[in-house]
Amino acid sequence: NAGVMQNPRHLVRRRGQEARLRCSPMKGHSHVYWYRQLPEEGLKFMVYLQKENIIDESGMPKERFSAEFPKEGPSILRIQQVVRGDSAAYFCASSPPTSYEQYFGPGTRLTVT
Amino acid sequence: AQSVTQLDSQVPVFEEAPVELRCNYSSSVSVYLFWYVQYPNQGLQLLLKYLSGSTLVESINGFEAEFNKSQTSFHLRKPSVHISDTAEYFCAVSGGAGGTSYGKLTFGQGTILTVHP
Repeated sequence: NAGVMQNPRHLVRRRGQEARLRCSPMKGHSHVYWYRQLPEEGLKFMVYLQKENIIDESGMPKERFSAEFPKEGPSILRIQQVVRGDSAAYFCASSPPTSYEQYFGPGTRLTVT
Repeated sequence: AQSVTQLDSQVPVFEEAPVELRCNYSSSVSVYLFWYVQYPNQGLQLLLKYLSGSTLVESINGFEAEFNKSQTSFHLRKPSVHISDTAEYFCAVSGGAGGTSYGKLTFGQGTILTVHP
């Protein structure tokens, strides 16, 4: 059973460009979570999704950030018009229904130049 | 709202010495508690968890943690560390069933454990 997959592993964008981060959960997992790890900070929750539904987006910045988890395909975290402050490691985690255990992917390290 | 405090940002120890990484949490509802380990440039790996039952939980590589409800703590311990235990360790809390924080994990700031030969 493959683990949580994230791609790309490293992403470089210039200020003002768009960043798309993809996450494929483990087989059988229908819940996806996105977290951000900024330099010198811990991990912060961003958004919790189930298939075709956003359950909790209380950690998402109000502007430029969006997330989706379509019926088919990976979950996508989209950052529009990136700024240098968006440089961070973005981690995706997944869990099966009714489980509290989250399994993390290797992360995408976004660098904004 | 939930919060997690890891009291030590860095813990240096010598190989084969015991270690304790401290974690305290605050929550108004019942919680589930986790320890994750992160090796450099990698994702987080679940080390151990407390959901219910015995307050002492163990991992397969010798770590253990004890849930202490009265002290709201979930400290991580290992009686004898190895060089390979060098990593960053994160304590996390998730809201219990029915709580408004169900699902998302709230993390502490992390503790960097460095094991010296």
